Amino acid sequence: EVQLEESGGGLVQPGGSLRLSCAASGFTFKNYGMGWVRQIPGKGLEAVSVISAGGGSTYFADSVKGRFTISKNNFKNTVDLQMNSLRADDTAVYYCAKRGMLTVGGSPMYYFDYWGQGTLVTVSS
Amino acid sequence: SYELTQPPSVSVSPGQTATITCSGHRLGQSHACWYQHRPGQSPRLLIYQDNKRPSGIPERFSGSMYGKTATLTISATQAMDEADYYCQVWDSQTEVLFGGGTKLTVL
Repeated sequence: EVQLEESGGGLVQPGGSLRLSCAASGFTFKNYGMGWVRQIPGKGLEAVSVISAGGGSTYFADSVKGRFTISKNNFKNTVDLQMNSLRADDTAVYYCAKRGMLTVGGSPMYYFDYWGQGTLVTVSS
Repeated sequence: SYELTQPPSVSVSPGQTATITCSGHRLGQSHACWYQHRPGQSPRLLIYQDNKRPSGIPERFSGSMYGKTATLTISATQAMDEADYYCQVWDSQTEVLFGGGTKLTVL
């Protein structure tokens, strides 16, 4: 059974930093990309960051570029999101998600097939 | 910037069919996924590659793509289907994009 467990959320002041971690089990972690998706209160889902299976390729939403970094440890089966220079509009529930993949017409096709329960990040003074 | 447009809300009576659309000018070049997000729960993958269902997803959830519009259809809608629904694409230019979400109300 695939399990994803986030940790590290909490209250932080504007300008501060926080590191989220996601512990994965139930699948061959090194073979899959992982992502972080957030939901700002009252808003929809936003893909914050994604990292490829081997960690060599990353994606960041424009809203977090230059402030957030993502890392993947294929020995510990964890994926971390380092969040710096946090702003009030980063307040959200952050979900860790496993990236599934198919090859369609010779091209990769991705989707988030498993999600964690989420961890709340509150940026406030 | 590239956007995926969904209706903010859809209402349906129990037992009837609900249809939720997702439009975007590059949708025909990308495959769409659909997620269900109930309050207080994690999002759940309903449809991938436009019309494929993961194991465990009931057959009454179906997806289609025509032109630049993806559609999620929920047949024989139940009260438990009340949730927010999101389309999503992995696009080579914008990479990962969600639609704005549709709140489904089962009256």
